[in-house]
Amino acid sequence: GNSVTQMEGPVTLSEEAFLTINCTYTATGYPSLFWYVQYPGEGLQLLLKATKADDKGSNKGFEATYRKETTSFHLEKGSVQVSDSAVYFCALARYSTLTFGKGTMLLVSP
Amino acid sequence: NAGVTQTPKFQVLKTGQSMTLQCAQDMNHEYMSWYRQDPGMGLRLIHYSVGAGITDQGEVPNGYNVSRSTTEDFPLRLLSAAPSQTSVYFCASSYVGQGNTGELFFGEGSRLTVL
Repeated sequence: GNSVTQMEGPVTLSEEAFLTINCTYTATGYPSLFWYVQYPGEGLQLLLKATKADDKGSNKGFEATYRKETTSFHLEKGSVQVSDSAVYFCALARYSTLTFGKGTMLLVSP
Repeated sequence: NAGVTQTPKFQVLKTGQSMTLQCAQDMNHEYMSWYRQDPGMGLRLIHYSVGAGITDQGEVPNGYNVSRSTTEDFPLRLLSAAPSQTSVYFCASSYVGQGNTGELFFGEGSRLTVL
C-alpha cells in the first residue's frame, strides 16, 4: 500500500538557519505529493504541492522537488523565521485519498 | 468564505455515550473525509465519501459511522464512545474530477475527550 515516511522531530533551529525536512514515499503509479503545515491550535493548510516527477513546489520561501528516482519530496527553506514554528506533514495522493506522514515539529528560536 | 465548517470545536463525553460531529462544506466538493489526529500517529483516515449516497471505510473505521445524504454535509457518529476515541478530528473535502490533484481543504478540527 501507500506510505509516507518523514523525519522525526522536533527539529530545533535558530532564526535564519537552513531547514531540511526529509520525506520519502512508497506508492503505486504516479501520486501527487504535498506538504501541509499545521500551526498551533489550527487545522492543516496546504503549503505546497507537486503533481509529477521533477516538479518543484514552492510557497512562502519553502521548496520541495518531486524526485521519482529516489521517491523523495524533501522540504527546504533557506532562512527560517520564528513564525515558521509549526508541524509539517508530507502527504501523497492517489485519486482523492491522502496518506500522511506522522508529522515533523519545527521549533525556531530567535 | 466559510470553506469547511466543523462543530462542535470541543466536546467531553463519558464512556458509552453517543454523539455526532458535524461537517459542512460550501465549495460543492464531491469528496469528503474524516481523519483523526493522535500524537505520534499523524493523521489517519476514518471514513470517506466520493458523493452523496456513497461512503467507504478508511484505515481506522471501527467505532464510527458516517452517512452522506447531501453534497454539503458529512456527519461522523460515535455510537458508544470509548477512551481510545479521545482525539482531534478533522473533516476535509476536495474536488473530484478531471484535473484533480488530490488537494484537501481542512476544517479547524474538533477536540473530543472521552472519560
